[in-house]
Amino acid sequence: GIQVEQSPPDLILQEGANSTLRCNFSDSVNNLQWFHQNPWGQLINLFYIPSGTKQNGRLSATTVATERYSLLYISSSQTTDSGVYFCGKAAGNKLTFGGGTRVLVKP
Amino acid sequence: DAGITQSPRYKITETGRQVTLMCHQTWSHSYMFWYRQDLGHGLRLIYYSAAADITDKGEVPDGYVVSRSKTENFPLTLESATRSQTSVYFCASRVGGAGDTQYFGPGTRLTVL
Repeated sequence: GIQVEQSPPDLILQEGANSTLRCNFSDSVNNLQWFHQNPWGQLINLFYIPSGTKQNGRLSATTVATERYSLLYISSSQTTDSGVYFCGKAAGNKLTFGGGTRVLVKP
Repeated sequence: DAGITQSPRYKITETGRQVTLMCHQTWSHSYMFWYRQDLGHGLRLIYYSAAADITDKGEVPDGYVVSRSKTENFPLTLESATRSQTSVYFCASRVGGAGDTQYFGPGTRLTVL
């Protein structure tokens, strides 16, 4: 089946720092999404990004489909950015999720 | 605008009991999903539904049953709960194809003793 791997598994940041999260996938991409799970468990869709680059405020994402990876950038991190970031790749109607990157932003 | 809700939010049950987790969405989204989230496994798809009366298995369907008689509801039943089904269960919905935004419910924390 599709393999989706995320790195690093854990990330500790000082508030204001920038960081990059990576998502590698084993199959060609036609649908790649990024999600954020806040410390209270709520999951929010951040980006749908099968290719190219998108930005939303301090977050941006880039997918290089030919090389089978996607990157999520967090700039000027804030404590509210803490949580777990998941990438998910679709095969048909199903999303396969990576194991997530747990981010802790310290004030 | 309630969006997507799950009930109960917390449930403790015993091995062998039947448990039903409810999921309700107010958007009339075609697609609905059930995931479980366990430490070390991330989110894994249990079942999904493309429309009323259409359901299909996901990655980990064994021990679960779903139905979808109405577009807005997608209950998940554990026919005979086992300890390995202790998990956090998330329901999700989206309008249409895989490129659409997927919206998640708040989750149900289930403990099987």
